[in-house]
Amino acid sequence: EAGVTQFPSHSVIEKGQTVTLRCDPISGHDNLYWYRRVMGKEIKFLLHFVKESKQDESGMPNNRFLAERTGGTYSTLKVQPAELEDSGVYFCASSPVTGSYGYTFGSGTRLTVV
Amino acid sequence: AQSVTQLGSHVSVSEGALVLLRCNYSSSVPPYLFWYVQYPNQGLQLLLKYTTGATLVKGINGFEAEFKKSETSFHLTKPSAHMSDAAEYFCAVSGSGGYNKLIFGAGTRLAVHP
Repeated sequence: EAGVTQFPSHSVIEKGQTVTLRCDPISGHDNLYWYRRVMGKEIKFLLHFVKESKQDESGMPNNRFLAERTGGTYSTLKVQPAELEDSGVYFCASSPVTGSYGYTFGSGTRLTVV
Repeated sequence: AQSVTQLGSHVSVSEGALVLLRCNYSSSVPPYLFWYVQYPNQGLQLLLKYTTGATLVKGINGFEAEFKKSETSFHLTKPSAHMSDAAEYFCAVSGSGGYNKLIFGAGTRLAVHP
């Protein structure tokens, strides 16, 4: 079974540019989560999809961040325009609908805004 | 509201020595508790989890943790450290149901020296 795949693994962009991160969850996992770790701080929740619907987006920092999950498969997280404080590692995780306590995480995308 | 406190951002042990990583949580609902590990340049990997039942939980790579409700703790231990255990370890809490977001601690970086 393929794991959770994220790409790119690294991205360096200039302040003001746009970046799109992608996450491919494990096939059949309806739940998809985005998390972020900024500058060695806690890993923080951003949002949660159930299929294509946003179940909880309480962790999204501001309207420069847009997450989509069209068709309930892969998800994208767009940052537009990027700011310096957006630098960090963005993790995606997925879990099945029921019976899973604990999530499978991807390797993360390290975003550096310069 | 839920929160996690990991005591000690850096822990150093000798190879063969006991590993003890501390985690205290706060939760207004029965918690589900997790330990994740991140090896260099890799994603988060689930070590072990407590949901219900036996309070002593055994995980992968010889690690175990004990849920102590009276102390609101979920400390991670391993009797004998191995060089390959060097990594960053994260304690996390979520509400019951399995779909809720994870609240992470700040992480503890474990160094193992010969």
